[in-house]
Amino acid sequence: NAGVTQTPKFRILKIGQSMTLQCAQDMNHNYMYWYRQDPGMGLKLIYYSVGAGITDKGEVPNGYNVSRSTTEDFPLRLELAAPSQTSVYFCASRMAYTGELFFGEGSRLTVL
Amino acid sequence: AQTVTQSQPEMSVQEAETVTLSCTYDTSESDYYLFWYKQPPSRQMILVIRQEAYKQQNATENRFSVNFQKAAKSFSLKISDSQLGDAAMYFCAYDRRTGNQFYFGTGTSLTVIP
Repeated sequence: NAGVTQTPKFRILKIGQSMTLQCAQDMNHNYMYWYRQDPGMGLKLIYYSVGAGITDKGEVPNGYNVSRSTTEDFPLRLELAAPSQTSVYFCASRMAYTGELFFGEGSRLTVL
Repeated sequence: AQTVTQSQPEMSVQEAETVTLSCTYDTSESDYYLFWYKQPPSRQMILVIRQEAYKQQNATENRFSVNFQKAAKSFSLKISDSQLGDAAMYFCAYDRRTGNQFYFGTGTSLTVIP
């Protein structure tokens, strides 16, 4: 019963490096989301997708890119990492009938 | 844009007592969902309770209940018989029901005192 799976759970990057956070869900949800959570703060929406091939920006998209080639996968790409991108990242998928979000366990990213 | 406001950054409650966490939101929509999510130190986001805007009856899940005031755009969470395991960050959230976007408040950190 996997739900939403995020990898990696922890990562340290140097300034200017790039990386991809992976997210997969096995619930056949059309809607998927990427959030970031800074210390002591709420969740801010980075990007979301309403289905395969369709993505859109959220509140804080700068410095990130996403793709959605399949219903299951929604990777988040960080290009040219900056210290301001140090955060915990959550991927989530939405059950259409209830609106409930199902979250991954989060990925803690540190940029030094 | 829709916003969700939680005006209490921190709250504390004595074990076995009752506590109420506040949430207000701003929307021009008439049909939407509201949620309370719990985030314990493990960081995992856990759904506590859900309310559909078109339903006048307040949602209840065991010790957790809400006071939904649609006209006032208020959605508070009441935790009865507080337990040590209730200690966590609590987030209020709004979903426009079409699912295009999902907004969270800044959270309330709840401490349960033994």
